[in-house]
Amino acid sequence: DIMMTQSPLSVAVTPGESASISCRSSKSLLHSNGITYLSWYLQRPEKSPQLLIYQISNLASGVSDRFSGSGSGTDFTLKISKVETEDVGIYYCVQFLEVPLTFGSGTKLEIK
Amino acid sequence: EVQLVESGEGLVQPGSSMKLSCVASGFTFSNYGMNWIRQAPKKGLEWIALIYYDSSSKYYADSVKGRFTISRDNSKNTLYLEMNSLRSEDTAMYYCATGSYFDYWGQGVMVTVSS
Repeated sequence: DIMMTQSPLSVAVTPGESASISCRSSKSLLHSNGITYLSWYLQRPEKSPQLLIYQISNLASGVSDRFSGSGSGTDFTLKISKVETEDVGIYYCVQFLEVPLTFGSGTKLEIK
Repeated sequence: EVQLVESGEGLVQPGSSMKLSCVASGFTFSNYGMNWIRQAPKKGLEWIALIYYDSSSKYYADSVKGRFTISRDNSKNTLYLEMNSLRSEDTAMYYCATGSYFDYWGQGVMVTVSS
């Protein structure tokens, strides 16, 4: 199984500042078709998760452009610019390269 | 508007069975693969099952393989999860989610396995 490792476990951010979350996979997520199957999700408190970014850097429909993704192969980063209170929650990365689909353990974002 | 509505929530004893449903609307259900994902209390997310749009392929996490069965009825826009031989460690919120990237999620249903 592909292991997904996120860091940090939690991050506290002042509103208006930026935050970065790292995700590392135990195997390259680059498929032979040229697509890298890495997505990011936000689970706000007491809510269902929502898709933020797919294929490393593609913003999901309706998601603020304050969110951006980067990386390649096995190392990926989610950046949140100008953090707002509504960004509070747990962020997860997921690999879709092969089953079993696997999640990172999550990074909790809090507001200072 | 895409909507996924799960049902079948409940409390059951270890060893028993339960069936969850997920009714989809707002998109062409028969064109998309579907997934079940669960979240134990205060824990992270765990993918547990995937079914192709035409039911031609099904995949399971090792933790549920042989006990859970994913199925769908495209005529009813409904996804199912049949859960047998339930264990206390199956206690979780269960979500259905669409497509290749979990584009949309339901609100989740709570399954509690306890004596």
